[in-house]
Amino acid sequence: AQSVTQLDSHVSVSEGTPVLLRCNYSSSYSPSLFWYVQHPNKGLQLLLKYTSAATLVKGINGFEAEFKKSETSFHLTKPSAHMSDAAEYFCVVSQGAQKLVFGQGTRLTINP
Amino acid sequence: NAGVTQTPKFRILKIGQSMTLQCTQDMNHNYMYWYRQDPGMGLKLIYYSVGAGITDKGEVPNGYNVSRSTTEDFPLRLELAAPSQTSVYFCASSRTDFFIEQYFGPGTRLTVT
Repeated sequence: AQSVTQLDSHVSVSEGTPVLLRCNYSSSYSPSLFWYVQHPNKGLQLLLKYTSAATLVKGINGFEAEFKKSETSFHLTKPSAHMSDAAEYFCVVSQGAQKLVFGQGTRLTINP
Repeated sequence: NAGVTQTPKFRILKIGQSMTLQCTQDMNHNYMYWYRQDPGMGLKLIYYSVGAGITDKGEVPNGYNVSRSTTEDFPLRLELAAPSQTSVYFCASSRTDFFIEQYFGPGTRLTVT
């Protein structure tokens, strides 16, 4: 069965510094992987997705993620944090048709 | 283009009451989904639909029912509400299947006391 583990429940960074949100997955076959963002009291929005094309995936708002099969990781990064990046971030793996498995979420706090 | 809309935004139910959470999408998407999000947890799939008249169970369907009479609407019915159903409920839709982007509504926060 597929599973996904977000290694940090809470990450706090200063504005203008890099962001790293970590995600490890387990999959019995080549997975599709996603990062979603949830701003307070809002629904989830897709940041980026990996579907077996380029291993470095660029998303919206300057975020990117690198698929590393050998490490079973799909970490999310951004070079310079902005106050508007404060949100909950979910790493998601597809488990075949009709099934997405969500990580527990990482709350990102940006300090001025 | 409103996307995915959900009503109500908040609701408090007493144990044993019933209610329907409404979900509508205006993107002509075939696939629609209901998730619940418990505190500190990721989303879990309750039910999904691949088109009008077709629904199927997800990971946590017990205590819920759905119907899909039109492409646009996918209501979620709670019968005999229990405290374990206190959660935030999200409706989502996608053009085809789970592998592409799902569009989420803003959620319904439900408390059962």
